[in-house]
Amino acid sequence: EDKVVQSPLSLVVHEGDTVTLNCSYEVTNFRSLLWYKQEKKAPTFLFMLTSSGIEKKSGRLSSILDKKELFSILNITATQTGDSAVYLCAVVNQAGTALIFGKGTTLSVSS
Amino acid sequence: EAGVTQFPSHSVIEKGQTVTLRCDPISGHDNLYWYRRVMGKEIKFLLHFVKESKQDESGMPNNRFLAERTGGTYSTLKVQPAELEDSGVYFCASSQDLVPVSNTEAFFGQGTRLTVV
Repeated sequence: EDKVVQSPLSLVVHEGDTVTLNCSYEVTNFRSLLWYKQEKKAPTFLFMLTSSGIEKKSGRLSSILDKKELFSILNITATQTGDSAVYLCAVVNQAGTALIFGKGTTLSVSS
Repeated sequence: EAGVTQFPSHSVIEKGQTVTLRCDPISGHDNLYWYRRVMGKEIKFLLHFVKESKQDESGMPNNRFLAERTGGTYSTLKVQPAELEDSGVYFCASSQDLVPVSNTEAFFGQGTRLTVV
């Protein structure tokens, strides 16, 4: 059965710290892996990864995929209180029609 | 441009009652998805529309759930009769093309929190 496992489930850090969020997956016929940030309500898109070893960056956030070891990491450097959110990892299902989500990592950044 | 909107934002109903959730996708998006997050669990896929057609409804939990998308615009998800285990947050998402095909993203709505008491 296709599945996504994220770790840790929650994390509390101080402003300025760097964090690494983990996502491992098992899926038949891998297509792509996506990261979302959910602050209050709607998950908002961060990255889509399809190729191994190519880092995607957006400001202080970056992500990379390892298709051999079946995992991805999301890095956030110099964290700010505004980074506090649930970070969701998802892979596209075998049929290519839907996303399979992990439980998410709840990040709390204190000032 | 308006995003994906869902109505209501929160609904509390009694077991056995009927509830209808509505989703208005981004204008022009042919693909519409329903997902659900039950407390403590991951977000799970329910079904996928392409325009007015159900492309994949493999995630629908049982026949108490009925989704429609008449005219290929907004969609409704009806739960009848509601049971306690139906409580959760129901998300709707839309995309112009299939996510993995065109490297596009799916845009999510804020979700409807359903509480069945």
